[in-house]
Amino acid sequence: QKEVEQDPGPLSVPEGAIVSLNCTYSNSAFQYFMWYRQYSRKGPELLMYTYSSGNKEDGRFTAQVDKSSKYISLFIRDSQPSDSATYLCATGGYNKLIFGAGTRLAVHP
Amino acid sequence: KAGVTQTPRYLIKTRGQQVTLSCSPISGHRSVSWYQQTPGQGLQFLFEYFSETQRNKGNFPGRFSGRQFSNSRSEMNVSTLELGDSALYLCASSLAGIATGVTEAFFGQGTRLTVV
Repeated sequence: QKEVEQDPGPLSVPEGAIVSLNCTYSNSAFQYFMWYRQYSRKGPELLMYTYSSGNKEDGRFTAQVDKSSKYISLFIRDSQPSDSATYLCATGGYNKLIFGAGTRLAVHP
Repeated sequence: KAGVTQTPRYLIKTRGQQVTLSCSPISGHRSVSWYQQTPGQGLQFLFEYFSETQRNKGNFPGRFSGRQFSNSRSEMNVSTLELGDSALYLCASSLAGIATGVTEAFFGQGTRLTVV
């Protein structure tokens, strides 16, 4: 079993839809959680960073962490074609930072 | 504020050769981590350096090595290249580093290595 599980998709949605991206992790010692966006042939870009359970909002993006169920989510409201990318979750604790496989998202006009 | 800079952006090498990749972190960041990204395996952690010391290492063979200089710039070396080493190599810089509880990690654009 991988330490971080993420459905690779692809996920295809119409413009304006609400997108939900999810990851599960296995180690309750993991303390911090990040979401990255990666466009084709580019490095990952940090979208959200949090270290506690609950919600964190930044514009159209909301990161949600539920430590009791080891579940992390990223919601994108009013999705745009420019949101088409691969989204990677990452989590870790002492000595480790582990990435999910990435979910490929396509937002079509 | 300049971001993370990786050079070169593209490399083509033949099997058996060695290669050195460079990463300049964000000014003030002392931690540099290296990752290998392939379609099949995703992002895999290679190693992390903090203040010129390797603090963490992933599950890669000894052909993969690195170092960090006093100005926090880091290099990664791969010796005796194999076809399977073809990948996007990414470095990430952060203030605190993984071992002390990492703050946000920022990535460079990567070096795309092709081994033929």
